[in-house]
Amino acid sequence: GQNIDQPTEMTATEGAIVQINCTYQTSGFNGLFWYQQHAGEAPTFLSYNVLDGLEEKGRFSSFLSRSKGYSYLLLKELQMKDSASYLCAVLNDYKLSFGAGTTVTVRA
Amino acid sequence: EAGVTQFPSHSVIEKGQTVTLRCDPISGHDNLYWYRRVMGKEIKFLLHFVKESKQDESGMPNNRFLAERTGGTYSTLKVQPAELEDSGVYFCASSRGGNIQYFGAGTRLSVL
Repeated sequence: GQNIDQPTEMTATEGAIVQINCTYQTSGFNGLFWYQQHAGEAPTFLSYNVLDGLEEKGRFSSFLSRSKGYSYLLLKELQMKDSASYLCAVLNDYKLSFGAGTTVTVRA
Repeated sequence: EAGVTQFPSHSVIEKGQTVTLRCDPISGHDNLYWYRRVMGKEIKFLLHFVKESKQDESGMPNNRFLAERTGGTYSTLKVQPAELEDSGVYFCASSRGGNIQYFGAGTRLSVL
């Protein structure tokens, strides 16, 4: 079975940093993905980790530790438009298994 | 480049009726996926096409659901007859290889 856990909600101030943790226990692993989803819109690809370590893409970074079954998404210099749901997903062959999502609210 | 498009964006039907959802993948993407999110739950895999062939339909809930991808381009997902528990958001995604999947905005299905 697949078990992917992430916090339900997080709140942060504009300009601050927020870290969204994701832990997983899955029957297979081909990579870990982070998606951003605004209400009523498509989940948008943010980052992808296959190997352990940190991947940096502008204001967003993602970290993976396969031995610990752990990942995090780091959002720096938060902007109001970053208020959204962030989805952690594990790829097993071609199937994505998702966590329930973390709703991030950015306050002025 | 156009993204994954889904039609309709919303559908409201009565229990027992039939609904057909459509997905147009990104041009050139051989892999097409259907996922579903029911109220309060996480997004779950339904099935996977490679071109016109079903590679895996292990996530399909029951035989009331039928997916097709004739010609290996767009795909349809038919629910017949619809039941109350089928309500949710149906997402389509596509990929060129087996890695990054690009999602559409989904079809919100309400069965009354």
